[in-house]
Amino acid sequence: GENVEQHPSTLSVQEGDSAVIKCTYSDSASNYFPWYKQELGKRPQLIIDIRSNVGEKKDQRIAVTLNKTAKHFSLHITETQPEDSAVYFCAASRDRGSTLGRLYFGRGTQLTVWP
Amino acid sequence: EAEVAQSPRYKITEKSQAVAFWCDPISGHATLYWYRQILGQGPELLVQFQDESVVDDSQLPKDRFSAERLKGVDSTLKIQPAELGDSAMYLCASRLSGADTQYFGPGTRLTVL
Repeated sequence: GENVEQHPSTLSVQEGDSAVIKCTYSDSASNYFPWYKQELGKRPQLIIDIRSNVGEKKDQRIAVTLNKTAKHFSLHITETQPEDSAVYFCAASRDRGSTLGRLYFGRGTQLTVWP
Repeated sequence: EAEVAQSPRYKITEKSQAVAFWCDPISGHATLYWYRQILGQGPELLVQFQDESVVDDSQLPKDRFSAERLKGVDSTLKIQPAELGDSAMYLCASRLSGADTQYFGPGTRLTVL
């Protein structure tokens, strides 16, 4: 099956700085890569996703890049704010558009933004 | 905005007891997933339903875990007997057919003593 590795496991930044979280995947057939944000005691929520036919996607302060050749994708958060503090999970799926849609998750990154 | 509902939110039980978790997906979502999230790790799929049918239960410990979605709407995940290693967050997610996004419920935090 798919193996997703995520780094770093913890990340501390000053408010206003940028944060970058990186993930690698093993299955070259994976074609869908979502990122979820999970605040303490709350449900994981999708913040951005990218499909394999796109190299980069941006939504306000959040961007994701995908390198299919190297099999890695990254989350970039600019102008970080204290409310960005949470655990971020990357995931990969080879079943986009199919009935299955199983997600394989990384272990998560605890992001702390200091005011 | 519609959300996935789960209950109970917290469950404390003793080992060898039976526990059950309930999930109500977003209305119209045919695909339903149960994930287990051990503290400090990402969610891992236990079982997936398409309507009332199981399409993937390869990671479900079938000697003690069972799941059902009888009418293709809400679902129940059961553990019998519970073991210490089952302590985790159990997350339910649902997805609209043909779409990519999985929407998660708030989870059930299980503690086995």
